[in-house]
Amino acid sequence: GAGVSQSPSNKVTEKGKDVELRCDPISGHTALYWYRQSLGQGLEFLIYFQGNSAPDKSGLPSDRFSAERTGGSVSTLTIQRTQQEDSAVYLCASRRDRGWNSPLHFGNGTRLTVT
Amino acid sequence: AQKVTQAQTEISVVEKEDVTLDCVYETRDTTYYLFWYKQPPSGELVFLIRRNSFDEQNEISGRYSWNFQKSTSSFNFTITASQVVDSAVYFCALSELNYGGSQGNLIFGKGTKLSVKP
Repeated sequence: GAGVSQSPSNKVTEKGKDVELRCDPISGHTALYWYRQSLGQGLEFLIYFQGNSAPDKSGLPSDRFSAERTGGSVSTLTIQRTQQEDSAVYLCASRRDRGWNSPLHFGNGTRLTVT
Repeated sequence: AQKVTQAQTEISVVEKEDVTLDCVYETRDTTYYLFWYKQPPSGELVFLIRRNSFDEQNEISGRYSWNFQKSTSSFNFTITASQVVDSAVYFCALSELNYGGSQGNLIFGKGTKLSVKP
């Protein structure tokens, strides 16, 4: 498809388990963002990838969170030893090149529930 | 420092009322873009509009209008004759050209939740 694709759309996991969330950006978009949105909250920036540059990880809340982007395309956000406070919607967005003046295109998000 | 403030956390109106969502920004840059996004209950953020720092013309699109004023660093969004389908969270965002930093020079406000009641 032409949009940003995220999978799974919903994920329920037990506390302490690891989870992987996937994002497939729009083809040709070199910038990719991960955000977290907790219930009723705004967008919390997590990490930003731009082409082959080192990612900006300044928003990752702890070392249990990590992300990769292979081949400048698909990205995986990994949360290790999940905690209940990790429950949120995880949103991925992509943007054309450095594209400071171009809008973000968002996926539908992955709703993570940690029980 | 760059910053986007949406002081209204939640707004509730009755259908057909006009409503204005406020957005105030701070930037050191002279070249920047401002954006508005809509997040309906379904969850996906949808791009509504962008405005560059050199274009202070107001814009109207149907029932939506945007008022950009550099003098007050504001980019407010007005919905005329609101409808129930306008119920959503609305985010304002700032993107700068020259000041590299985190988040790819893109800063979001915390959003305003608009509820339009029939």
